Amino acid sequence: EIVLTQSPGTLSLSPGERATLSCRASQSVRSTYLAWYQQKPGQAPRLLIYGASSRATGIPDRFSGSGSGTDFTLTISRLEPEDFAVYYCQQYGGSPFTFGPGTKVDIK
Amino acid sequence: QVQLVQSGAEVKKPGASVKVSCKASGYTFTSYAMHWVRQAPGQRLEWMGWINPDNGNTKYSQMFQGRVSITRDTSASTAYMELRSLTSEDTAVYFCAREFWGSHDPWGQGTLVTVSS
Repeated sequence: EIVLTQSPGTLSLSPGERATLSCRASQSVRSTYLAWYQQKPGQAPRLLIYGASSRATGIPDRFSGSGSGTDFTLTISRLEPEDFAVYYCQQYGGSPFTFGPGTKVDIK
Repeated sequence: QVQLVQSGAEVKKPGASVKVSCKASGYTFTSYAMHWVRQAPGQRLEWMGWINPDNGNTKYSQMFQGRVSITRDTSASTAYMELRSLTSEDTAVYFCAREFWGSHDPWGQGTLVTVSS
């Protein structure tokens, strides 16, 4: 099973600032099968990025993903008020599909 | 638009079973795999398994093997997840999610399953 770790656990930033979230895998993720999701309290997760760097439909271009192998990054170029949430990475290159523990982005 | 609507919250006693439904609309149900993911309070998301609605083939996480069944009714465009032998550790929100290039999009609204004596 591929174990994902995310850092930092919490990121305290102000609107307009840049957010950089990290996801590290215990072994190489096949074919960059890595996704990022946003989840707000009481809501289902929303897909932001798939294939490590492809934005899902309707996702603003301030969200970008990069990385390969075992190290992946989600960048939010300029935080908007609606971006304060929890972000999860997921690998779907090997069964079982696994998620990271999440990074909470909160308002400083 | 593509939408997944799940059944309502459930309260079950330890040892019981629960069956959650997920009705799909806005796309051809048999063209996309359906996944089930759960989230216990304060815990990370946990993938449970998936079904190919076209042929009914399934794959389950080893963590739930033997306790979970994912089925579908193509005439109703609905997928089901049944979990048996419930314990308090199964208290969680259960989500269905359509496969999208291997990832999951969109997700159902979630169904809270509470296991309590």
